[in-house]
Amino acid sequence: DAGVIQSPRHEVTEMGQEVTLRCKPISGHNSLFWYRQTMMRGLELLIYFNNNVPIDDSGMPEDRFSAKMPNASFSTLKIQPSEPRDSAVYFCASRARAGDSNQPQHFGDGTRLSIL
Amino acid sequence: GQSLEQPSEVTAVEGAIVQINCTYQTSGFYGLSWYQQHDGGAPTFLSYNGLDGLEETGRFSSFLSRSDSYGYLLLQELQMKDSASYFCAVRDNSWGKFQFGAGTQVVVTP
Repeated sequence: DAGVIQSPRHEVTEMGQEVTLRCKPISGHNSLFWYRQTMMRGLELLIYFNNNVPIDDSGMPEDRFSAKMPNASFSTLKIQPSEPRDSAVYFCASRARAGDSNQPQHFGDGTRLSIL
Repeated sequence: GQSLEQPSEVTAVEGAIVQINCTYQTSGFYGLSWYQQHDGGAPTFLSYNGLDGLEETGRFSSFLSRSDSYGYLLLQELQMKDSASYFCAVRDNSWGKFQFGAGTQVVVTP
């Protein structure tokens, strides 16, 4: 079975540009999570969705960040305008059945984002 | 405030046993998970403890004491491939949201 698929794997762009990260969760999973990982701050939860509905976006750093989940098989995380401090690895994870305690989160391979 | 505390680094030789402790203080608690992450890779799930006690999965075991807000991951018969970062993560709400610790880097030497 295919795991969580993220694209692009690497992105290098100049500050001020719009960046869009994409995620396809595992089929049948109904929870989706976006994380950011840096050496300084570790693994931070940005936002998560359940059944395509955003549940908690309190981790989104500022208004430059936005996320959508238009359907069960696709989500985007957008940064506009991007800044050098946004450079990080961004992970998407999905999970089956929100109420099932034992279900783990499955992570994609991440997008390594560098803002110059 | 909410926090998860785990050691930053542990070094051990091949064949040894390593215990990584995790203490937590969170607004809610539904369970404790452990994830492994190799350099440049994605976190991968190792274990989950929803109730007190020991869970064993091959060479890895995980323990939870909810009354002490404490858990640990035990790595036995260490192999070179076990060199990685290990994260404890608390599920703190019914939606399956997890808070991750800062991670423990395990270095296995020959």
